Amino acid sequence: AQSVTQLDSHVSVSEGTPVLLRCNYSSSYSPSLFWYVQHPNKGLQLLLKYTSAATLVKGINGFEAEFKKSETSFHLTKPSAHMSDAAEYFCVVSYTGGFKTIFGAGTRLFVKA
Amino acid sequence: DGGITQSPKYLFRKEGQNVTLSCEQNLNHDAMYWYRQDPGQGLRLIYYSQIVNDFQKGDIAEGYSVSREKKESFPLTVTSAQKNPTAFYLCASSTAGDIAGELFFGEGSRLTVL
Repeated sequence: AQSVTQLDSHVSVSEGTPVLLRCNYSSSYSPSLFWYVQHPNKGLQLLLKYTSAATLVKGINGFEAEFKKSETSFHLTKPSAHMSDAAEYFCVVSYTGGFKTIFGAGTRLFVKA
Repeated sequence: DGGITQSPKYLFRKEGQNVTLSCEQNLNHDAMYWYRQDPGQGLRLIYYSQIVNDFQKGDIAEGYSVSREKKESFPLTVTSAQKNPTAFYLCASSTAGDIAGELFFGEGSRLTVL
């Protein structure tokens, strides 16, 4: 069965320090993996996606993620947090287009001044 | 600019009433989706449509209905049969032939049952 687990429901960092949001997936197939960001009362916006090309994926706003097949992980990182990064982040696994899309429960990122 | 427009952004309903949430896209996407979002539960798929005049139930379709008469439009009706309709509803679209499955989202509609 396919599933996605975001290991932290909340993460709190200070502005200017690194961000790490953790995601593990289980899959019998080669999935496409995504990170989306959601600001309060807004829709989701794509940060980055992995589709079996380079394992290190760079996204918008300085975020990147590394696909590690042996660990079935797709953790999201950013070297230096900014106040505007405070939001909820979703790790997503997709098979056969969007029809088999599984969302993680989300990680709320807090950024302290 | 291309995108997805959801309306209304906020909606209040009395128990026993049906309400319809609008979703319009000008991205020329074939596939459209409705998701429900509750705190701490991620997004759950209500219905999706791959092509005009065709749609499929998702994981939580009970108490909801949809139609897809035009490529651009995919309205969702929350019926009185939905036991707990208070939630944030998100409409999305994608290029059906895109195996990467990237979804494009509207800004959501928040429904509150009084």
